[in-house]
Formats: sequence, structure tokens, C-alpha cells
Amino acid sequence: AQSVTQLDSQVPVFEEAPVELRCNYSSSVSVYLFWYVQYPNQGLQLLLKYLSGSTLVKGINGFEAEFNKSQTSFHLRKPSVHISDTAEYFCAVMPLSGNTGKLIFGQGTTLQVKP
Amino acid sequence: GAGVSQSPSNKVTEKGKDVELRCDPISGHTALYWYRQSLGQGLEFLIYFQGNSAPDKSGLPSDRFSAERTGGSVSTLTIQRTQQEDSAVYLCASSMLDTQYFGPGTRLTVL
Repeated sequence: AQSVTQLDSQVPVFEEAPVELRCNYSSSVSVYLFWYVQYPNQGLQLLLKYLSGSTLVKGINGFEAEFNKSQTSFHLRKPSVHISDTAEYFCAVMPLSGNTGKLIFGQGTTLQVKP
Repeated sequence: GAGVSQSPSNKVTEKGKDVELRCDPISGHTALYWYRQSLGQGLEFLIYFQGNSAPDKSGLPSDRFSAERTGGSVSTLTIQRTQQEDSAVYLCASSMLDTQYFGPGTRLTVL
């Protein structure tokens, strides 16, 4: 079985400050890793994904994440946040066994950017 | 191009009634997924379609829930005899390879 833990339910941060949203996962099989963002009353939008190769992946809106296999982590970072980054962020894994491609999500982290 | 669309955007129903939720995937996407987002349970997988077949229905919470997909395109999620615990946002996603593209969701409220 797989599980995803997002260690912070809420992260308040001031505009232009750096931010890190933490994600750990547990899986007995190999997985792909994803971060999605959800703005109020909208669906989920893909920020970035790790499939293989370089462990540092860059996504949209200036976000990046680093896959750490030994720590089973996939933390999301941004060096300088904007008010418009206020949203809920979801970390997800896709198990590579079973061949269904379903996503298993963490509970989400609400990023609150203050002026 | 057009993204994933879902209808209705909001649905309010009375306990015991049946509801149908519709998903129009991105054209050409062979895989389609339904998820449920609720306050208590977060985002949960419900069912996966490949073409018109559903090889993984493991997330459907009870036999009151069913889904079908026709023509390898539109999908309908049906909830029979709705209960208050069915209140949630139902999200649909479609994919071609490894990335799922989500629709805006249907917010279901069961009174």
C-alpha cells in the first residue's frame, strides 16, 4: 500500500519570502511523484512531476521540488512567493504496479501568503 | 485547447434521491479517473477507465455508486439513494500518458 504525508496543514508566509512545503511518502513499489495546486473553487493544476532522471525538477510559476529516495521525500520550494500563490497544494504519488495510473494524495497544505 | 469539463458545477439534492454527474474529458485522452474531495477524507480515488472499460473500481465506496463511459469519451458517475455523507466535490481527470488533467469539479450537497 502507499501513503502520502504532508507534514504541514497550513503554512503562513510573507510575500517575497521563501517557502518549503514538505511531503513524505511510503510505498513498497516504485512511484512517480507529483505536486498539484488548487485555487479556490477550481480543479487541480499540475505544478511539476518527477518520473526519473535528475532529482531536482522545475515546474510552473517558479516552483521546484527535489526527490530524495533515501528520505522518501519530495519537498516543494519557491525562493520568493507572491500573493497569487495563496492556494492549497497537494503532493501525490502514482504507484507503478497495477498499471492503473491512479493518484494517491496527501491531505494538502494551505499556503497563505501575507502582504 | 479545451480542458476537462464537468456538469453540473453545483448540485443540491435531497437524501434518498439519485444524482448523475457528467465528465467530458480532453479529446483523445484514453484514460479517465473520478476522485472525491471531502473535508474529512481529502482526495480519494474512486474509479479508473481505460477506453470504455473500468479495470479499477476499487475506490467506489458502496454499491450505490456506479459509473460508465461511452464512446471512449463522456463519463457519468451515478449515486443512487444519496446520503449526507456523499456530500463532497467530485473531480474528474483525463490523461494520455502519465499526467492527469483535472476538471473544475461538481460540488454535491445532500440535504
